[in-house]
Amino acid sequence: NAGVTQTPKFQVLKTGQSMTLQCAQDMNHEYMSWYRQDPGMGLRLIHYSVGAGITDQGEVPNGYNVSRSTTEDFPLRLLSAAPSQTSVYFCASSYRGGSRETQYFGPGTRLLVL
Amino acid sequence: AQTVTQSQPEMSVQEAETVTLSCTYDTSESDYYLFWYKQPPSRQMILVIRQEAYKQQNATENRFSVNFQKAAKSFSLKISDSQLGDAAMYFCAYRSPLGGSQGNLIFGKGTKLSVKP
Repeated sequence: NAGVTQTPKFQVLKTGQSMTLQCAQDMNHEYMSWYRQDPGMGLRLIHYSVGAGITDQGEVPNGYNVSRSTTEDFPLRLLSAAPSQTSVYFCASSYRGGSRETQYFGPGTRLLVL
Repeated sequence: AQTVTQSQPEMSVQEAETVTLSCTYDTSESDYYLFWYKQPPSRQMILVIRQEAYKQQNATENRFSVNFQKAAKSFSLKISDSQLGDAAMYFCAYRSPLGGSQGNLIFGKGTKLSVKP
């Protein structure tokens, strides 16, 4: 199993540009989520999905869009990049229920918005 | 809403010594999950240890163990025989067993651990 994969590893954008951060998992997890990590802030939830076709907002959803057309993929779209979106983005996935609660993280995407 | 607090922004330990990282949380739930994640300079989030709240026995994973005090809502991580590779950011996290938005991981702000040779 590849686990949770994210592309790209690093991206530089200009203000106003749009882009999609890709996330895929091959563990058949129903639960997937996107976090952003900023210095001194820990990880904050952007959007999450409890299954294909179902998405919802997290703590900091503004400026981001998601969709979940398959169990495996959960892309994050930046609609119009702003310098405040400079951050490291993590995708995570898990089963739900009982002893399967552990979330597994991708390697992260470092985004710089100029 | 649940909260997770890590009161030590930075900690330092001598190689081969033992260090304890603190974590407290606030919840009204009786059943939940607690985690410690390690983030080395590579930024990869690595699960160190997990604890189910209904289990009274403290979880252990090799040199890593927790002191879970449910009544005090405390979940500290003990690293024994510290190694240079243990140097990293450590995050404490809480997860509710409920569905929807309540089932997301809630993180503390992290503790940066340095290991001195």
